Amino acid sequence: EPEVTQTPSHQVTQMGQEVILRCVPISNHLYFYWYRQILGQKVEFLVSFYNNEISEKSEIFDDQFSVERPDGSNFTLKIRSTKLEDSAMYFCASSYTGYTSTDTQYFGPGTRLTVL
Amino acid sequence: KQEVTQIPAALSVPEGENLVLNCSFTDSAIYNLQWFRQDPGKGLTSLLLIQSSQREQTSGRLNASLDKSSGRSTLYIAASQPGDSATYLCAVTPGNTGKLIFGQGTTLQVKP
Repeated sequence: EPEVTQTPSHQVTQMGQEVILRCVPISNHLYFYWYRQILGQKVEFLVSFYNNEISEKSEIFDDQFSVERPDGSNFTLKIRSTKLEDSAMYFCASSYTGYTSTDTQYFGPGTRLTVL
Repeated sequence: KQEVTQIPAALSVPEGENLVLNCSFTDSAIYNLQWFRQDPGKGLTSLLLIQSSQREQTSGRLNASLDKSSGRSTLYIAASQPGDSATYLCAVTPGNTGKLIFGQGTTLQVKP
């Protein structure tokens, strides 16, 4: 069964460093998402992406964050200058469509980001 | 602003018991509601999706109901098994967007 993959599974970085989290969505999916989950808190929406542009972003997704689909398979989340509060599990998700009541999103296993 | 709340936060039951997990949301303008399962160190797996026009969905031992007007959903698990132990998340899709808004989850432990 097709699945969403994410690399790395765990990333440790120093505060102020740039990190890139990578995701490979399901191949025929058109909509891509990033969510994060701070330990002990809810899963929070960050951004949705379609047709090579951001469809929607949350207030969390400020200028320090960016997303890109550099080729036909990868979808990346970049954090330019990490802060301690960016420590979280980051989930990538994809769906075939984004605006239908019948669609579901398929989630990757997550990347645990630890900022020291 | 849409808020999703799940009660209880944790639940421990003996194997074989039927159980109900609760989810409530503050804004009835939703496109659909989904129940996910989250296992430790793993991603989220969609269990059931209920469209806003539907009242319930069933998959195997799972049955989810939706009452949009009251802002409530329940997930019923029949004849629970130790393999059902996980965190169950409820999420709503606000009208005409793909964004999911999650509750904080109910952590279920089914004891053999």
